[in-house]
Amino acid sequence: DMKVTQMPRYLIKRMGENVLLECGQDMSHETMYWYRQDPGLGLQLIYISYDVDSNSEGDIPKGYRVSRKKREHFSLILDSAKTNQTSVYFCASSPDNANTEVFFGKGTRLTVV
Amino acid sequence: AQSVTQPDARVTVSEGASLQLRCKYSYSGTPYLFWYVQYPRQGLQLLLKYYSGDPVVQGVNGFEAEFSKSNSSFHLRKASVHWSDSAVYFCVLSGSNYQLIWGSGTKLIIKP
Repeated sequence: DMKVTQMPRYLIKRMGENVLLECGQDMSHETMYWYRQDPGLGLQLIYISYDVDSNSEGDIPKGYRVSRKKREHFSLILDSAKTNQTSVYFCASSPDNANTEVFFGKGTRLTVV
Repeated sequence: AQSVTQPDARVTVSEGASLQLRCKYSYSGTPYLFWYVQYPRQGLQLLLKYYSGDPVVQGVNGFEAEFSKSNSSFHLRKASVHWSDSAVYFCVLSGSNYQLIWGSGTKLIIKP
């Protein structure tokens, strides 16, 4: 069963704390993504990863960093979380490029208080 | 510039009625276009995609979309909606460097 799994699904953090969002996929996809979704804004790309240790900034990378040490695993890190990083974060993967289907996880709802 | 515009933030349709969700894109090359759907508290799922050829593409659950190069549009249609179609629908363009450009979404509300 093809799947993108995100952990945790819900998270509450205090401002200034570090946040780690984990994502795994079981399809051996090369390309993985991190998006955030805010009401009325659609999805905004934070980072894209083309393979292990091959990561590129998306449209809104400030305040985030990523790590991809294994093809099946892609982490999003917030160093010193801010209240404006409260959002729903989606991880996704695709086989080799985005002209094929992109598979999404169910999202992580992060609240920074 | 590359962009996707969904001009309708919300669309309300009676169950059994037909549906059209509008999408306009801006892209200088050959567009790869998608419609994704997001059901409440879920991730996103692909409805259909267009690469080339027949401008009318069929998707899952009776959805179809029509590509128009002259109008720079990729509107989504369904002949008869069901209450389970209530969701947010996103029109998406595949731009350069494998990055997806997302519309802001259209929330579909089905009236009983």
